[in-house]
Amino acid sequence: GENVEQHPSTLSVQEGDSAVIKCTYSDSASNYFPWYKQELGKGSQLIIDIRSNVGEKKDQRIAVTLNKTAKHFSLHITETQPEDSAVYFCAASMGTGGGADGLTFGKGTHLIIQP
Amino acid sequence: GAVVSQHPSRVICKSGTSVKIECRSLDFQATTMFWYRQFPKQSLMLMATSNEGSKATYEQGVEKDKFLINHASLTLSTLTVTSAHPEDSSFYICGRTGNNGYTFGSGTRLTVV
Repeated sequence: GENVEQHPSTLSVQEGDSAVIKCTYSDSASNYFPWYKQELGKGSQLIIDIRSNVGEKKDQRIAVTLNKTAKHFSLHITETQPEDSAVYFCAASMGTGGGADGLTFGKGTHLIIQP
Repeated sequence: GAVVSQHPSRVICKSGTSVKIECRSLDFQATTMFWYRQFPKQSLMLMATSNEGSKATYEQGVEKDKFLINHASLTLSTLTVTSAHPEDSSFYICGRTGNNGYTFGSGTRLTVV
């Protein structure tokens, strides 16, 4: 089955700096890669996703890049703010987001924004 | 507003009792929904896929007789933790696919005492 590795497990950056979280996946058939933000005690919130026919996607301060050949994808957060502090999970699926395949998650990255 | 509604958000139960968690798709009919579990400081782990009108598909290592899933309608899937034990204490989250990708419920914090 699919295996998703996520690094780093903890990331501390100064407010205003950029943060990058990286994930690799094992199954070349995976074609849908969402990122979730989880604040303490709350459910996960989809913040951005990318499908395999696209190499990069951006939404304001958040961007995701995908390298299908190398089987890795990354989350980029620019101009970080205190409210960005949370645990971020990457995931991979062989569905398109509208299909019936479950997600395989990375282990999460605890992002800490230092004032 | 939320398009996937999950209840309850928190539940404390005694060991040996059963707990039912509901997950509702509010904006469209979902033939497939997913149930995940998250232990403290760990990632979300897929437990089972809930299929409307048929049996759920369980991931390896998940006991189907302990975690009963019912998807009797296109807008409601339920997870019942039967004969709960302290080791079942965890954060349970349902999810649903759609045209805009995955959407999760807000999760249920189960504590078994």
